[in-house]
Amino acid sequence: AQTVTQSQPEMSVQEAETVTLSCTYDTSESDYYLFWYKQPPSRQMILVIRQEAYKQQNATENRFSVNFQKAAKSFSLKISDSQLGDAAMYFCAYRSDPVYGGSQGNLIFGKGTKLSVKP
Amino acid sequence: DSGVTQTPKHLITATGQRVTLRCSPRSGDLSVYWYQQSLDQGLQFLIQYYNGEERAKGNILERFSAQQFPDLHSELNLSSLELGDSALYFCASSVGSGLAGLNEQFFGPGTRLTVL
Repeated sequence: AQTVTQSQPEMSVQEAETVTLSCTYDTSESDYYLFWYKQPPSRQMILVIRQEAYKQQNATENRFSVNFQKAAKSFSLKISDSQLGDAAMYFCAYRSDPVYGGSQGNLIFGKGTKLSVKP
Repeated sequence: DSGVTQTPKHLITATGQRVTLRCSPRSGDLSVYWYQQSLDQGLQFLIQYYNGEERAKGNILERFSAQQFPDLHSELNLSSLELGDSALYFCASSVGSGLAGLNEQFFGPGTRLTVL
């Protein structure tokens, strides 16, 4: 079974600085999808960025980018120019691609990293 | 706003009781997923329905059941409630069945269940 590990329960960053959140996963599948979700105090789950495993190029969405290392099974999230509104829980998630033999399409989440942003 | 609605927002009940959580997916989405978020277990997948049929099952207890109706809304039924069932229950929807493609899931605001 696939697992997702976020080894940093809490992180802190100064406003306008850059922070990197770590995520590793374990899978025997060759094709899959990886996601970072943000959960602010409102509890809403918001998709931040996604990465298809077959793509070598790292995904980027404005101030958010990932470092996807397929061989190392690592998927870290970099937040540049941190803003107060970035303070939230961040969850890394894995999803199989059933077309390539994955069992089903649900998300498997890590335990989350709580990010604080200091003004 | 993701377009996924969940009712009620909060629910407080007693042990042994039964409750029903409701989810309406985004317009056009055929799949509904239910997830449970608790302090000790984190975010866990419970069950998925696609166009009225059960598609996948995760760590769902036998005391829990779900269904998806012809208008595509879904209900999660929790019975014989225990203290440990207190959690945030999310519904997510997607266009496809999850069998192909990116099939992004959009989350509702969640229902906070408190069992006293």
